[in-house]
Amino acid sequence: NAGVTQTPKFQVLKTGQSMTLQCAQDMNHEYMSWYRQDPGMGLRLIHYSVGAGITDQGEVPNGYNVSRSTTEDFPLRLLSAAPSQTSVYFCASSYSGQAGNTIYFGEGSWLTVV
Amino acid sequence: GQQLNQSPQSMFIQEGEDVSMNCTSSSIFNTWLWYKQEPGEGPVLLIALYKAGELTSNGRLTAQFGITRKDSFLNISASIPSDVGIYFCAGYQAGTALIFGKGTTLSVSS
Repeated sequence: NAGVTQTPKFQVLKTGQSMTLQCAQDMNHEYMSWYRQDPGMGLRLIHYSVGAGITDQGEVPNGYNVSRSTTEDFPLRLLSAAPSQTSVYFCASSYSGQAGNTIYFGEGSWLTVV
Repeated sequence: GQQLNQSPQSMFIQEGEDVSMNCTSSSIFNTWLWYKQEPGEGPVLLIALYKAGELTSNGRLTAQFGITRKDSFLNISASIPSDVGIYFCAGYQAGTALIFGKGTTLSVSS
């Protein structure tokens, strides 16, 4: 029972570098999303997907790119890392957007941009 | 975008006291969720609410879905040290993703 798997768990980047945070779920969930968490800000939605081939922007999408080529995977790409992107990133998935469906979170990815 | 206003931002209480926190929104949600997060971990679901007016308990925790569908509250009775953490409300609408409040940090002294 893997659930939602995020990699890497910790990463240090230099300003301007690009990288991809991986997220995979093995529950055949339609909905997947990425959040970033900063002190005092709660979890803010970056991008989300309601199914393979469909993505949409959340509250803080700038500087991030996503794609959903398969149901299982929803990678988050940092195009040119900036210190403001230092944060903890959480991937989440659920079966659908309908009420009553549990949302599962990954364990988080701690990213530092220097 | 949609915003959830969660209050209070932090609470410092004595063991045994009751705790109350709430969330309000300018938008209507069809699901309200309450999560707890401990250091170094992801949020863990405490209570899910699916209907306006619904009152649901999970042990010492009780949460209610407001009649207007724009608010929810969470009560913790007889707090204990392991209740320490950050509590988040979250609202959900079909076709979108979960929107979180900024969290209530709870500290419990014994």
